[in-house]
Amino acid sequence: GNSVTQMEGPVTLSEEAFLTINCTYTATGYPSLFWYVQYPGEGLQLLLKATKADDKGSNKGFEATYRKETTSFHLEKGSVQVSDSAVYFCALSDTGGGADGLTFGKGTHLIIQP
Amino acid sequence: GAVVSQHPSRVICKSGTSVKIECRSLDFQATTMFWYRQFPKQSLMLMATSNEGSKATYEQGVEKDKFLINHASLTLSTLTVTSAHPEDSSFYICSAIPEGHYSNQPQHFGDGTRLSIL
Repeated sequence: GNSVTQMEGPVTLSEEAFLTINCTYTATGYPSLFWYVQYPGEGLQLLLKATKADDKGSNKGFEATYRKETTSFHLEKGSVQVSDSAVYFCALSDTGGGADGLTFGKGTHLIIQP
Repeated sequence: GAVVSQHPSRVICKSGTSVKIECRSLDFQATTMFWYRQFPKQSLMLMATSNEGSKATYEQGVEKDKFLINHASLTLSTLTVTSAHPEDSSFYICSAIPEGHYSNQPQHFGDGTRLSIL
């Protein structure tokens, strides 16, 4: 079956630091990949996605590239802000978005200190 | 747009009672909704796929008689935890896909319901 593995948290960084949150996956076929973010007290929001190999998803300064050869979809941001503090979930779907439920990683709690 | 509302956001009840959680798509119609469960420090686990006008599809290991799902309209799905026990305490989250937009469209999530069984 499908699975997603992401680095355990919490990850604590200073403001303006470079961020990488690793995510690797196991899936049959060609899944779509997602990063969702959950801010304190809120529901999950889609941060970015990529639907095929070598696609790069980007939003709010975050980026992730769909690497089929390494089955990875690492999340990066060049300069984090305190407002980026949240829980980040890597997820995959066998379809585009979509008709199937998502398989999530355990989530990575990111804490940005001023 | 694409707002999903869950109600209640938090519920505390005694063991043995049944609890109903509502998931509504506020500004779109959703043929398909999903129910997830999240234990502390764990991933969201898909419980079931709710299809408007038909029976829900449950994931392996999820008791359909325990977690009743009804998707009677294109904007509402309900999850009823029957005869709840402390081990059912968890965070339940629903998501929805706009009707007719399956390809390359993300799921829109509700804010979740924190269920605590005493």
